[in-house]
Amino acid sequence: EAGVAQSPRYKIIEKRQSVAFWCNPISGHATLYWYQQILGQGPKLLIQFQNNGVVDDSQLPKDRFSAERLKGVDSTLKIQPAKLEDSAVYLCASSLVRGRADTQYFGPGTRLTVL
Amino acid sequence: GDSVTQMEGPVTLSEEAFLTINCTYTATGYPSLFWYVQYPGEGLQLLLKATKADDKGSNKGFEATYRKETTSFHLEKGSVQVSDSAVYFCALIGANTGNQFYFGTGTSLTVIP
Repeated sequence: EAGVAQSPRYKIIEKRQSVAFWCNPISGHATLYWYQQILGQGPKLLIQFQNNGVVDDSQLPKDRFSAERLKGVDSTLKIQPAKLEDSAVYLCASSLVRGRADTQYFGPGTRLTVL
Repeated sequence: GDSVTQMEGPVTLSEEAFLTINCTYTATGYPSLFWYVQYPGEGLQLLLKATKADDKGSNKGFEATYRKETTSFHLEKGSVQVSDSAVYFCALIGANTGNQFYFGTGTSLTVIP
């Protein structure tokens, strides 16, 4: 079974530029998550989708971050404009359902460096 | 709010040594508890989990017991190998937080031959 795919793996941009990350979850997984992992910290949830609807985006900085999952499969996370403090690894994860004990499967992440 | 506190690293052990990585949590009700592992250059992988008090999760020689009385979920392994070198994250899903993970800061483990 293919895992969660993410691209690109690495991205370097200058502050105030825009950037987009792509995620393809495991086939059949209804729930998709985006996390931000700053160096030396644990991942922090940014947004959670159930199919193509947003379940939780309370920690998403909506003035600069946006995300969509138009057909309930792939998802895109965008940052516009980027700030230095956005340098982090952006992780995508998916789970089959939205149960409390359901395992989340993580992709390899996209490492963003903002100069 | 819900949170996880785990032992700071880095931890360096010799091969075949005993490993303990401490994890304590704060949560209302009865959360589900997890250990994830992140090998160099890879994404997080579920190592083990426990969903109710006194449950023991185990996988690949690692174990952790859900202790409600001490709000802990310490990770242990009797004999570590070089291939266990990775970053280990303790995490929880709270009883009322809609499947949102709360992760600890991670503990880096290096096992030397």
